Amino acid sequence: AQSVAQPEDQVNVAEGNPLTVKCTYSVSGNPYLFWYVQYPNRGLQFLLKYITGDNLVKGSYGFEAEFNKSQTSFHLKKPSALVSDSALYFCAVRDPAAGNKLTFGGGTRVLVKP
Amino acid sequence: EAGVVQSPRYKIIEKKQPVAFWCNPISGHNTLYWYRQNLGQGPELLIRYENEEAVDDSQLPKDRFSAERLKGVDSTLKIQPAELGDSAVYLCATTDPLDYEQYFGPGTRLTVT
Repeated sequence: AQSVAQPEDQVNVAEGNPLTVKCTYSVSGNPYLFWYVQYPNRGLQFLLKYITGDNLVKGSYGFEAEFNKSQTSFHLKKPSALVSDSALYFCAVRDPAAGNKLTFGGGTRVLVKP
Repeated sequence: EAGVVQSPRYKIIEKKQPVAFWCNPISGHNTLYWYRQNLGQGPELLIRYENEEAVDDSQLPKDRFSAERLKGVDSTLKIQPAELGDSAVYLCATTDPLDYEQYFGPGTRLTVT
């Protein structure tokens, strides 16, 4: 079975500082990895994905993520955080053998302080 | 293009009452998912449809939950009777057949009192 772990419940960062949200995964085959963001009372919004190719994936709103196969990690990063980046972030893995079902991590709340 | 539409956005009911949620997918998206998201947790799959067929309902509590997707477009998720533990956000998502990207609706926040 596939699984995703987000070890931090919350990350606090000052505006303008780099932001990192950690994610590790466990899959039986090739990993299909995603990051989603959720703002209050909103649905999940897609940020970026890794399917194949370059280990550094660039996504929406200046976010990027680095796929590391040896460490089974897919950390989300942003060089300079904004107050508006404060939200709930979810890492997910897709299982093609199960109808492309997404398995989500528990989420990490990001708080960017001015 | 309109995204995934869900209604109602919020619902408050007393326990033992029935409740239904509605989802209208993005046009052309044949695969539809219902997820449940408990407070402070990631979404968990309840059921997946391929067109009108429920192909994975292994996580759906069938004693009280039911779902349908007539004509392979709109879908309805029902709970009868609701329990306190059903309080959660119910998310509908559909998949782009070209890249299997999942697009989520805004969700229905259910509060059972």
